[in-house]
Amino acid sequence: ELKVEQNPLFLSMQEGKNYTIYCNYSTTSDRLYWYRQDPGKSLESLFVLLSNGAVKQEGRLMASLDTKARLSTLHITAAVHDLSATYFCAVDSGGSNYKLTFGKGTLLTVNP
Amino acid sequence: NAGVTQTPKFQVLKTGQSMTLQCAQDMNHEYMSWYRQDPGMGLRLIHYSVGAGITDQGEVPNGYNVSRSTTEDFPLRLLSAAPSQTSVYFCASKNSGSTGELFFGEGSRLTVL
Repeated sequence: ELKVEQNPLFLSMQEGKNYTIYCNYSTTSDRLYWYRQDPGKSLESLFVLLSNGAVKQEGRLMASLDTKARLSTLHITAAVHDLSATYFCAVDSGGSNYKLTFGKGTLLTVNP
Repeated sequence: NAGVTQTPKFQVLKTGQSMTLQCAQDMNHEYMSWYRQDPGMGLRLIHYSVGAGITDQGEVPNGYNVSRSTTEDFPLRLLSAAPSQTSVYFCASKNSGSTGELFFGEGSRLTVL
C-alpha cells in the first residue's frame, strides 16, 4: 500500500524567509503532483513532476523530485503572505496515470 | 468553461437519510473520482471510474455507491448517512491516458447529525 508522508504538517514562517516542505512516499513512482488549497476552496494544481531529477519553478515556489530517494521537495523562497495555504503532495499509485494518493498536507502560515 | 461542477455545495443530513452528491465535467475526461477530505487526513479516494460503465473502489468505499452511465456524470450516493461521513467531498477528473494533473470541483460540504 502506497503511503505518502509530508513534513512538516504545520509551518509558520516570517515573510522573507526560505523554507522547504518534504514529501516522502513508500513505493516506486515517477509521477508526483503538488497542489495548493486555500481555506474553504478547491485544490489548485501547482506542479507536475514526471521523472527523476525533475525540477519545476513558479514564482517563489520550486519543486523537485528524486525517485530513487522517493522524495519530493517544495522550496519556498522569500515567503510572502499570499503563499499562506495548505500544500499537498500526491503520488500516482502504481503508474495508473490517475489514482493519486495524497499526503496529509502542510498548513503554511506566512506572518508579516 | 465550467470544468468540474459539484452540487450541492452544502448539505445537512440526519443519520439514516440518503442523498446523492452530483458531479459533472464538460472536458470529456475518461477518469472521474471522488475523494473525501477530513481534518488532518488529507484526501482519501472513495471510488473512481475510468469510463462509462466502469467503476472501482478506492481506499474508503464503505457506505458509498457510485455509477457511471455517461462520460460526463459521476454521482456519489450515500444510502444511509452516518455521522462518520461528515466531511468535504471533492470530485476530480482527468484524461486517463494523460500524466497531467487531476482537475477538482469546488467541493461539497456534508454534515450528518
